[in-house]
Amino acid sequence: IAGITQAPTSQILAAGRRMTLRCTQDMRHNAMYWYRQDLGLGLRLIHYSNTAGTTGKGEVPDGYSVSRANTDDFPLTLASAVPSQTSVYFCASSPTRAGDGYTFGSGTRLTVV
Amino acid sequence: AQSVTQLDSQVPVFEEAPVELRCNYSSSVSVYLFWYVQYPNQGLQLLLKYLSGSTLVESINGFEAEFNKSQTSFHLRKPSVHISDTAEYFCAVSEIGGGTSYGKLTFGQGTILTVHP
Repeated sequence: IAGITQAPTSQILAAGRRMTLRCTQDMRHNAMYWYRQDLGLGLRLIHYSNTAGTTGKGEVPDGYSVSRANTDDFPLTLASAVPSQTSVYFCASSPTRAGDGYTFGSGTRLTVV
Repeated sequence: AQSVTQLDSQVPVFEEAPVELRCNYSSSVSVYLFWYVQYPNQGLQLLLKYLSGSTLVESINGFEAEFNKSQTSFHLRKPSVHISDTAEYFCAVSEIGGGTSYGKLTFGQGTILTVHP
């Protein structure tokens, strides 16, 4: 089934540890995105990539990094996790055309303690 | 830059009653408009979208939304809701044309719809 796979589904992480959230899509979409979802704040864009080899900063990029070595994979790394990064993280992709909208993964629930 | 405001954070309603979830947007250029639905512990799914043509768009499960350019609104409605419609609903906009924001969606803060028996 075509779509986006995120891993892990959930994780409890000690503060100060490094963590990589994985995202893989099999739809050959050009653009990929990482959002965090927090109660009352909706979805906020962390980083995005319009095509393989390029990345850009979103609304809340601090403390996060991404890479886009190929079309399918878009991992999100927390270099040194802090409790304020406790959130649900969603990866999404789109063919880039403005009218296509996004396909979302099922999310990663991350708790930093 | 575009922005989206969902006017109600929570909407409680009884089963079989009508419901309206309100969405207003702001943009300096023309936009495409979307509604997404998120069921508990799941990702977001596209519910419906307006690209062009008829200002009234419908989903397969009975929701509809009407694009009102003069009021910059894209309210979501359903004449009779079911328990299974309980979810969080997100309005989103995407700018038409070039620029760094091309193709990127800006989301509202979400409206939690709770349908009571």
